[in-house]
Amino acid sequence: GQQLNQSPQSMFIQEGEDVSMNCTSSSIFNTWLWYKQDPGEGPVLLIALYKAGELTSNGRLTAQFGITRKDSFLNISASIPSDVGIYFCAGPSGGTSYGKLTFGQGTILTVHP
Amino acid sequence: NAGVTQTPKFQVLKTGQSMTLQCAQDMNHEYMSWYRQDPGMGLRLIHYSVGAGITDQGEVPNGYNVSRSTTEDFPLRLLSAAPSQTSVYFCASSSPVVVGAFFGQGTRLTVV
Repeated sequence: GQQLNQSPQSMFIQEGEDVSMNCTSSSIFNTWLWYKQDPGEGPVLLIALYKAGELTSNGRLTAQFGITRKDSFLNISASIPSDVGIYFCAGPSGGTSYGKLTFGQGTILTVHP
Repeated sequence: NAGVTQTPKFQVLKTGQSMTLQCAQDMNHEYMSWYRQDPGMGLRLIHYSVGAGITDQGEVPNGYNVSRSTTEDFPLRLLSAAPSQTSVYFCASSSPVVVGAFFGQGTRLTVV
């Protein structure tokens, strides 16, 4: 089946620093999703990408759909303490239905004030 | 605006016991799914449903049963709990006309 590999697995940064993480796939995805999970909560959608090369922003977050359609990148600028959490990439399996999502292993982000 | 509601939030079971994790959504979404989250492994799909009366297996279905009698509800049943089923379980709902899947707050299950 499809697999998504995220890196890094964890990051420890100072408040105000920029953050970059990426996700690579063994096969092509037609849609890339980035989720954030706060401690004790379910994942929440941050950004969706639909087209190879697409660059999309949501506040301090910017994500890109790789041109090979096998990777995606998420950047967070000027990090703040509330950015703490686990960030997941995900993509629909077996078509475009969001009922079947394949997730990466997650990047755990810790922000020191 | 409840979204996706899961009950219970926490549960401890003894090996061999059975239980049902409840999931309800109020967004009239066609699709519902169950995932389990284990450290370092992300979320893995257990079962999913594309509508009432229609279910299918995901990546890790063994030991779990589901049914979907209504659009709103999608319970997950553990027939004979095993320690390997200790995990955090998330229910999600989605629709082809809405981007992404919406998740509940999770059920933390421990099997001893």
